[in-house]
Amino acid sequence: DGGITQSPKYLFRKEGQNVTLSCEQNLNHDAMYWYRQDPGQGLRLIYYSQIVNDFQKGDIAEGYSVSREKKESFPLTVTSAQKNPTAFYLCASSIGSLRGREQFFGPGTRLTVL
Amino acid sequence: AQKVTQAQTEISVVEKEDVTLDCVYETRDTTYYLFWYKQPPSGELVFLIRRNSFDEQNEISGRYSWNFQKSTSSFNFTITASQVVDSAVYFCALRVGSAGGTSYGKLTFGQGTILTVHP
Repeated sequence: DGGITQSPKYLFRKEGQNVTLSCEQNLNHDAMYWYRQDPGQGLRLIYYSQIVNDFQKGDIAEGYSVSREKKESFPLTVTSAQKNPTAFYLCASSIGSLRGREQFFGPGTRLTVL
Repeated sequence: AQKVTQAQTEISVVEKEDVTLDCVYETRDTTYYLFWYKQPPSGELVFLIRRNSFDEQNEISGRYSWNFQKSTSSFNFTITASQVVDSAVYFCALRVGSAGGTSYGKLTFGQGTILTVHP
């Protein structure tokens, strides 16, 4: 089945550690996105990528890093510089970042800092 | 800058009632796209509908209907004869269509409305 997978579903991290969240899609979509969701809030864009080897910062990129070496993969690293990383992280993809194309979302990763 | 406001934080209804979720947006772009997503307890966002700024025709899909009015910058969502399975968080989102701008490709979300349908 075509879709977006994220792993792990739950992730626990100690303060000061870097962690990497996985996002893979087999929809042959060009664009991929990372969002953060905090309780009672909407989603906020962290990074997005329109094509391989290219990505742009979103609204809250500080403390995060990404790479886009393959079309189907867009991993997100939460670094120790991120002051409040506990949140629900959602990955999405779309056919292109062109006008109007809806984004499809993965199941999310819930990150908790201990 | 774009902004989406969902003034209703939580709505509680009894099964079979109709319910309308409000969405008001702000943008200076003349070309833009509006979306509704549903987030069930599992967490994954499910795409429901997309609307273009140049198409104000309202739409009905089964028990769902959408009312897009540019004059009031609103894109409201109505569920007719609600069911328990409709319980979820619903998000309205906006995307501008201007090429070259920093907001190109970005979705701006409202804060979401928690809908609870009681049996």
